[in-house]
Amino acid sequence: SAVISQKPSRDICQRGTSLTIQCQVDSQVTMMFWYRQQPGQSLTLIATANQGSEATYESGFVIDKFPISRPNLTFSTLTVSNMSPEDSSIYLCSVEGRQGRGTDTQYFGPGTRLTVL
Amino acid sequence: TQLLEQSPQFLSIQEGENLTVYCNSSSVFSSLQWYRQEPGEGPVLLVTVVTGGEVKKLKRLTFQFGDARKDSSLHITAAQPGDTGLYLCAGRKVNDYKLSFGAGTTVTVRA
Repeated sequence: SAVISQKPSRDICQRGTSLTIQCQVDSQVTMMFWYRQQPGQSLTLIATANQGSEATYESGFVIDKFPISRPNLTFSTLTVSNMSPEDSSIYLCSVEGRQGRGTDTQYFGPGTRLTVL
Repeated sequence: TQLLEQSPQFLSIQEGENLTVYCNSSSVFSSLQWYRQEPGEGPVLLVTVVTGGEVKKLKRLTFQFGDARKDSSLHITAAQPGDTGLYLCAGRKVNDYKLSFGAGTTVTVRA
């Protein structure tokens, strides 16, 4: 399994500002994913970040609001732009990894808990 | 509507009791994962099942994948307070790299 770290672990921000979340993996991975988990809810995929190409966004998420960078195979950033209280969530980075018998699965970072006032 | 229906949403039991969490869908999955998430942390992978009818055991946890690969269950025997957490099932459809998550089951085991 991959070891994934995220910075910051938590932050409290003012509405209208932006926050960039970093995700670092201890090995090279092709696919990295960004999820949002609103309070008391399950995970929703924001986008898939591929190295060397633009991120692929899911329905309801746009690049202007959630710009993503993927400069190399071990690092990605997600920016939450022009924040509002509705953006208060846990943001999770995830990577694709391979288990035994060639099964692909996803491993998650510890998350970034964002509160927007 | 969610692709994976997880039930129950909440479960509160006494230490030593057994519990079962269900994950159902009308779609076929090439694999299904179960995760446990504790407050303030990211989901931790418990198991991946890939074969219809497969049963996997992890100490007191038993995971089953339905014969048709549309449903799964997680059974915990003699639950302990350390089993408390949010249990999430997530499935990968055939020829799709993305995971679809269930709504989660919050399990509380009282000492």
